[in-house]
Amino acid sequence: NAGVMQNPRHLVRRRGQEARLRCSPMKGHSHVYWYRQLPEEGLKFMVYLQKENIIDESGMPKERFSAEFPKEGPSILRIQQVVRGDSAAYFCASSPPRGGMETQYFGPGTRLLVL
Amino acid sequence: DAKTTQPNSMESNEEEPVHLPCNHSTISGTDYIHWYRQLPSQGPEYVIHGLTSNVNNRMASLAIAEDRKSSTLILHRATLRDAAVYYCILMVRGSQGNLIFGKGTKLSVKP
Repeated sequence: NAGVMQNPRHLVRRRGQEARLRCSPMKGHSHVYWYRQLPEEGLKFMVYLQKENIIDESGMPKERFSAEFPKEGPSILRIQQVVRGDSAAYFCASSPPRGGMETQYFGPGTRLLVL
Repeated sequence: DAKTTQPNSMESNEEEPVHLPCNHSTISGTDYIHWYRQLPSQGPEYVIHGLTSNVNNRMASLAIAEDRKSSTLILHRATLRDAAVYYCILMVRGSQGNLIFGKGTKLSVKP
C-alpha cells in the first residue's frame, strides 16, 4: 500500500516562472491538506481539499497560489510568478474519507528553490 | 488557535527512555492531543494521539495529566532513528482538521 507521493521532490524555478507541485494521496483517501515549511520554521497550513472541492483555504496567500483536487488524478498546488520568498518545502498530507479529526499521512515533500 | 508549549530541545542517550513534555493549559474538554514527529529532510509522521486516558502504541506512550492541561510523550528506548522534531498539537473538535504546528522539541539522541 503506497504512501502519499509527491513530485517532483526538488524543483528549481527562476523568478517569474510557474511552479506545479503534485500530490497523490494514499489509496482510499479523499482528503488532502497542503502545508508549507519555510527554512528554519515550522509547518504552516495552506489549504484543505476534498475531491473537486476546496474546503478551507484560509492559509493560502491571496495572490499567485491556487490548489485543486480533481475527480481523477493528483492534487495540484500551483504557484504563479514565483518569487524568492516562495522557496520552501511543500508537504501534502492525506486522510481517510471522514477527514476532520483523522490522522494525516504526509508525503516526503517538494523542495522548491527560486533563483 | 489552540496553543501548546514545548521545550525547544532535549537530549537523550541511546537505549534510554525519553519523556517529552507539552503544556496545553487552554485545552477544551473535547480537544484531542496529537503528536507528530519530523525526521530530518522528511515529512511529518503521526506518532500517537489521545483524549483523556493514557495511550500506548508500538511507537510510544502518551501520558495525559488528570486536568488535561499537560501531557508527556514517552519513548521507552530511544534509538538514533528517533532523533527528530516532535510536535504536540491540539486537534480542536469541529475544526476542519488542519494541523497547527508550533516549533516543537528537537530531540537529539547520543550513541
